Order: sequence, then C-alpha cells, then structure tokens
Amino acid sequence: GAGVSQSPSNKVTEKGKDVELRCDPISGHTALYWYRQSLGQGLEFLIYFQGNSAPDKSGLPSDRFSAERTGGSVSTLTIQRTQQEDSAVYLCASSSRSLVDTQYFGPGTRLTVL
Amino acid sequence: QKEVEQNSGPLSVPEGAIASLNCTYSDRGSQSFFWYRQYSGKSPELIMFIYSNGDKEDGRFTAQLNKASQYVSLLIRDSQPSDSATYLCAVTATTDSWGKLQFGAGTQVVVTP
Repeated sequence: GAGVSQSPSNKVTEKGKDVELRCDPISGHTALYWYRQSLGQGLEFLIYFQGNSAPDKSGLPSDRFSAERTGGSVSTLTIQRTQQEDSAVYLCASSSRSLVDTQYFGPGTRLTVL
Repeated sequence: QKEVEQNSGPLSVPEGAIASLNCTYSDRGSQSFFWYRQYSGKSPELIMFIYSNGDKEDGRFTAQLNKASQYVSLLIRDSQPSDSATYLCAVTATTDSWGKLQFGAGTQVVVTP
C-alpha cells in the first residue's frame, strides 16, 4: 500500500525566496505532522493537524513558517523569506490515531538555502 | 536540559551480540514511547512502541519501559550488519497517548562482522 509521500525530494533555493513543501499522508490517516531534522540532529516538531481541530502550531520557529491542510488530506508547509538556517530535511508523518499514535514518516524534503 | 536523552554513540557491537540502547525522558506525564530506526539519508522507520511498564518483544527487538525511573531501552538480539543505523527514541509530549513526539538525538549503532 502507499505510504506517506512528499514532494519535492530536494529543493535548492536562494536566501529570501519562498518555498512550498507538500505532504500526502497515508489514506485514511486523520493526523498529520511536520518535523524537521537538521544535519546530525534529532527531529524537531513543527506543527500537527488532527481532523477538523485547530492545528497545534507550537513548534513553528518563526512567523515565516506556516502550514495548511486542505480537505483533511494533503498538507503544504510554506517557508517565506528563507534563511540559511532553514536548511534541513523536512519530514512529514501521518497516523490513524488508534490506541497508540504510531506515526509513519515520508521520505522527506531536503531543503538547501544558498 | 534536553527532554529526551540518548547516548550519541557510536555503539560498536560484534555481529551476533546484543546491542543495548538507553533513553531517559524528563516528562513524567508521557504515556507512549517509540523506537525508530534511521538509516543514513533515509527517513525514520518505526521499530516498535511501548506504553506499559515492563518488556515488550517483537522478533529480535525488546523494548523495556520503567516509568518510575523515566527510562526506556531497546535491546537488539543477534545483531546483524543490517542493524547498523541510528536509533531514535521518541516520547509523546502530552499526557495522553497521542500527539507530537519529542525525539532524542539518536544513538548510532555499528555492527561489525
């Protein structure tokens, strides 16, 4: 079966440009998460969507970061006016919110800001 | 203070031996605990989860949880070269079983033939 998909797999941009990263969760999964992983670091939580509830945005590092989820499925993470410190792998995960919230990750988008 | 702590390693393990990975966490309210494996350049893949005190076995993997000591561990029996990866400990950041995860920085395991 299809897993979590993300696009693009790699994105190189210039400082100051806006970028959009896309996540397509596993079909039927109601929860969707964004994390980022900087080189050699653990994963850092960014934002979390669950059904029609207001998203948990507590991990977004600045107001340059935003995300939306349309129709309870596909999500887009937007970074405005990118900075070099935004360079990282951005990972999306989804879960079905069963007894335990097991999150399954997509392949990630590697963002490089020059 | 990091909320989820792991030894960074590398942990060098001879093939066929047992690899023992440790993780401590600071939030006593955490309910669910996960171990992910991450190969270099790849995304994390779930190995197993545990939410009750004690041991949970799945094939060559055993997770151990001690909530009183705020400690969770992963044992890998009969280690294989294909087990060489970074192992991430993750903890739910809320007092229910769901929601965002807090990750440790990971322990690198190297299984030597």
